[in-house]
Amino acid sequence: DVKVTQSSRYLVKRTGEKVFLECVQDMDHENMFWYRQDPGLGLRLIYFSYDVKMKEKGDIPEGYSVSREKKERFSLILESASTNQTSMYLCASSSRTASSYEQYFGPGTRLTVT
Amino acid sequence: AQSVTQLDSQVPVFEEAPVELRCNYSSSVSVYLFWYVQYPNQGLQLLLKYLSGSTLVESINGFEAEFNKSQTSFHLRKPSVHISDTAEYFCAVHVLTGGGNKLTFGTGTQLKVEL
Repeated sequence: DVKVTQSSRYLVKRTGEKVFLECVQDMDHENMFWYRQDPGLGLRLIYFSYDVKMKEKGDIPEGYSVSREKKERFSLILESASTNQTSMYLCASSSRTASSYEQYFGPGTRLTVT
Repeated sequence: AQSVTQLDSQVPVFEEAPVELRCNYSSSVSVYLFWYVQYPNQGLQLLLKYLSGSTLVESINGFEAEFNKSQTSFHLRKPSVHISDTAEYFCAVHVLTGGGNKLTFGTGTQLKVEL
C-alpha cells in the first residue's frame, strides 16, 4: 500500500513563527504536492515538485516556500505564519510514469495560527 | 485551462435513497476525470476514475460515474446510499503541465445521509 505520512495531525503556532510541515511517501514517487483545504474553496494547490530540488508554484504560493532535498520528503515552510494561514494542509504524491495519474494523500495537518 | 465545477456544496439525502453529485468540467484537450472521497478527519481517497474506454465507471462500494463529452459532465451516482457514505466528495480533472502531471479539484460536495 502507498503510504503518505505527515509529521503532525494538529499544530498550533503563533503569528510570526516559522512553521515547517513535513511529508514523507514510501512509494518512490517523483511527484509530490502541497494543498490547503478550506470550507467552500475545496483543495487549492500551493506548490508541487516533480523531482528532487525541482519545484513549481501552484495556484496560491504566496506566503509559502517548499523544500525537496530527498525524493521521499517534501516540506512546506511558512516563513512568518499569519492567521489567514489557519487551514487544513494536505500532502499528496503520484508517479510520473504511471498512466493512472492518481494522487495518494496523507491524513492532513490542521494548522491553527493564533 | 482545465477546471471543474461542483454545483452543489451540500446534498442531504435519506438512507436508501438514490443520490447524484454533479460535476462539470472545462477542457480543450483529452480529459482524465476523478472522484475522490474524504471521510471525517481523514485525507482524500480515490473513489473512481475515467481515463479512456467505457464511459461508465464504477467503484467497489456501489458508486458509478458517467463521462458525458457532449455535456462536459462526470456526475457521480449511487442508487441507494448508506449512513457510512456521509463524507465530502471532490471531482478532479488531470492537467498536464511543463513540469509534470497535476490535478485540479472542484470545491467539493458534502453528502449527508440521514436516517
